[in-house]
Amino acid sequence: DQQVKQNSPSLSVQEGRISILNCDYTNSMFDYFLWYKKYPAEGPTFLISISSIKDKNEDGRFTVFLNKSAKHLSLHIVPSQPGDSAVYFCAATPIAYSGAGSYQLTFGKGTKLSVIP
Amino acid sequence: GAVVSQHPSRVICKSGTSVKIECRSLDFQATTMFWYRQFPKQSLMLMATSNEGSKATYEQGVEKDKFLINHASLTLSTLTVTSAHPEDSSFYICSAQGFNQPQHFGDGTRLSIL
Repeated sequence: DQQVKQNSPSLSVQEGRISILNCDYTNSMFDYFLWYKKYPAEGPTFLISISSIKDKNEDGRFTVFLNKSAKHLSLHIVPSQPGDSAVYFCAATPIAYSGAGSYQLTFGKGTKLSVIP
Repeated sequence: GAVVSQHPSRVICKSGTSVKIECRSLDFQATTMFWYRQFPKQSLMLMATSNEGSKATYEQGVEKDKFLINHASLTLSTLTVTSAHPEDSSFYICSAQGFNQPQHFGDGTRLSIL
């Protein structure tokens, strides 16, 4: 049972336009969400996160939106650049329940973003 | 940013061999390290969680005698795949986490058992 779902395996966007990557989750215990970016032959790199007490978090060109009632989050990249082409993973954790300052992540299957010059 | 080094990046070996994979946090102390396995076009599946100085906690369905994890220090964890067989061929990836920090990942190890 996939608790974190990224229903679009791939997405193509023109350079300069907005990229919107979507993620849905089913576990109502999740209250901290992260996006990771992965290039081929490399490990995932942390991009941005959001706590359930917020509905938006912004870092430069990257903004994550969280809709708790819909159990949905999205990552917006604007403007998109060719270097953004990678696989993006959404991850979630019930951080409030983990204790000890560390937490396990549940990942989606990823969305491959291609930014076309 | 935080750096996690995973070694080796690729291993090809014969069936029955034991393979050790190392995961090091280079510029921070990792209170917790995680080991994942990824099949093609699938998500990262958590195998086990290890805290320095204590036994690893394995996820359901992961054989602890098959996948030995040692977390001897705050900067090093190892995963040993014992008596590896072709079905163990996969992409293994570790992550390291400092207190209240995001997980930082190594670049993974592609294991191929012939």
